[in-house]
Amino acid sequence: QVTLKESGPVLVKPTETLTLTCTVSGFSLTNSIMGVNWIRQPPGKALEWLAHIFSNDEKSYSTSLKTRLTISKDTSKSQVVLTMTNMDPVDTATYFCARMRWESGSGKIDPWGQGILVTVSS
Amino acid sequence: SYVLTQPPSLSVAPGQTASIPCGGNNIGGKNVHWHQQKPGQAPVMVIYDDSERPSGIPERFSGSNSGNTATLTISRVEAGDEADYYCQVWDGISAQGVFGSGTTVTVL
Repeated sequence: QVTLKESGPVLVKPTETLTLTCTVSGFSLTNSIMGVNWIRQPPGKALEWLAHIFSNDEKSYSTSLKTRLTISKDTSKSQVVLTMTNMDPVDTATYFCARMRWESGSGKIDPWGQGILVTVSS
Repeated sequence: SYVLTQPPSLSVAPGQTASIPCGGNNIGGKNVHWHQQKPGQAPVMVIYDDSERPSGIPERFSGSNSGNTATLTISRVEAGDEADYYCQVWDGISAQGVFGSGTTVTVL
């Protein structure tokens, strides 16, 4: 069974750096057809894709947020980490990690983690 | 960057058919995936690669993709289908994931 679980602080102050960890099980981060995404959703709003890391460690970032984001992985721990700098109240959202399965040139997001609600407030 | 457009909401009576469009420039040339999100829950993929159903997803869910519009169709709608639905693609040109703005389906 494939599972992903997000962990990290639920409250951060403005200007601080957010560090979130996604711990995966049921698949390997070194599997050539597997990757992991980070996606967020502000309360009552739509999903927003943030970043992706491929099995070969290649990374992709949202154009609008790339200066603030860093994605990395620790294959020995089966973990993917996202850091976001200079947090602002508008970054308050539920942050999801989700597996990306690459087959026939198509990247399918499935399954998703349960998500973690991060509030930015002083 | 690539943009996917969805109507904000859609209402449908039980037993009827709901068709949710997702517009994008030449989206027919991309693989489109659909995710269902019920209140307070994480999304679940209900259609992948335009029209394929993951195991466990009812046959009532189907998809199509051509030209500038992809469509998720829910046949014989049930109360349990009330949810937000998001289309999603990977834009190979910008190497980014893209989600549509989401459509809230209400069962009357």
